[in-house]
Amino acid sequence: GNSVTQMEGPVTLSEEAFLTINCTYTATGYPSLFWYVQYPGEGLQLLLKATKADDKGSNKGFEATYRKETTSFHLEKGSVQVSDSAVYFCALRVIGGTSYGKLTFGQGTILTVHP
Amino acid sequence: DGGITQSPKYLFRKEGQNVTLSCEQNLNHDAMYWYRQDPGQGLRLIYYSQIVNDFQKGDIAEGYSVSREKKESFPLTVTSAQKNPTAFYLCASSIEVSSYNSPLHFGNGTRLTVT
Repeated sequence: GNSVTQMEGPVTLSEEAFLTINCTYTATGYPSLFWYVQYPGEGLQLLLKATKADDKGSNKGFEATYRKETTSFHLEKGSVQVSDSAVYFCALRVIGGTSYGKLTFGQGTILTVHP
Repeated sequence: DGGITQSPKYLFRKEGQNVTLSCEQNLNHDAMYWYRQDPGQGLRLIYYSQIVNDFQKGDIAEGYSVSREKKESFPLTVTSAQKNPTAFYLCASSIEVSSYNSPLHFGNGTRLTVT
């Protein structure tokens, strides 16, 4: 089946620190990969995505590269801000078979950034 | 502005009662989804619908029911058969199910508490 594993949280950083949140996956087909962000009390928002190997998704200073050889899609940001405090979800989507279009999520990583 | 509206934001029910969560979208999306979010477990798919008058079970459909009588509406009923109904429920939609590049748009969720 399909699964996503994220690094254990919570992650606590000081403002302007470098951020990495690890994400690895297993998939029965060829997945598209996504990072979603959830701010307190809200739903999820798409942060970035990549649809094929070696693609780099980027948005708001966040980046992630689709690494097929290591089945990974790690999220990085060079300098975090207090406003980046949120829960981050890695997800994959495979078309076909029994996984028809649904997203499979990791367990989420809580990020807290202090001033 | 287009989006997904979930109501109410907070819902309280007594054990043994059925409760219906509302989800409305004005994005003209064909596909709609219901996810359940529990702390430390990420999101799990309850039901999804690819088109009006059609819906499919997700990974944890037991104790839930849905209907899709209109394109813009996908209500979820949590029945008394659901053993652990207290959770945060998220509704989502996408242009279509069978597209790698079709991201999910989420509502802001309904927090259901059953006592």
